[in-house]
Amino acid sequence: GQNIDQPTEMTATEGAIVQINCTYQTSGFNGLFWYQQHAGEAPTFLSYNVLDGLEEKGRFSSFLSRSKGYSYLLLKELQMKDSASYLCAVMDSNYQLIWGAGTKLIIKP
Amino acid sequence: GAVVSQHPSRVICKSGTSVKIECRSLDFQATTMFWYRQFPKQSLMLMATSNEGSKATYEQGVEKDKFLINHASLTLSTLTVTSAHPEDSSFYICSARPDRVDYEQYFGPGTRLTVT
Repeated sequence: GQNIDQPTEMTATEGAIVQINCTYQTSGFNGLFWYQQHAGEAPTFLSYNVLDGLEEKGRFSSFLSRSKGYSYLLLKELQMKDSASYLCAVMDSNYQLIWGAGTKLIIKP
Repeated sequence: GAVVSQHPSRVICKSGTSVKIECRSLDFQATTMFWYRQFPKQSLMLMATSNEGSKATYEQGVEKDKFLINHASLTLSTLTVTSAHPEDSSFYICSARPDRVDYEQYFGPGTRLTVT
């Protein structure tokens, strides 16, 4: 079966760095996505990785290792507005997104 | 660019009635759109894949006669929840895939459905 695992909840301090991990097992791979979702709102796109390595975009970076079925989202200089759920999703061989359950990130002052 | 709208944003209906939710891609064409449902504190669940000009593909466990999908044009897909029941109360989100790129999906803002 297809499976995506990520921690349920994480807590971090404002101004710090946090890494959210995601491991996956899917039928085929056409890229891995990270989305941010605030409560009561739809997800918004953060990053897309299809090749191994690190993609940096401002305070957010995303890493992918296809051989290990592993990705992480790195958030730097945390701000209170970063409190949200972070969803890892893998696009399978049929170009369908397989979603993780999401990681709720709580930022404390 | 790449904006997807949904209407209505919130709807309250009585049990047994039907509700239609519209999903529009405002500045791009989307042959393929997706309908998701999300219950509180849970992740997105794909309900169906909507393709313009053909029947929608439903995920296992989703009743196609209850959740009617019509992809009438390259910019509009509708989801009709027929004979709604309180257990259908959820957050319904659509996404649209631009025709030019396979891996992109843009999400609408979601529709909060409450069935009383």
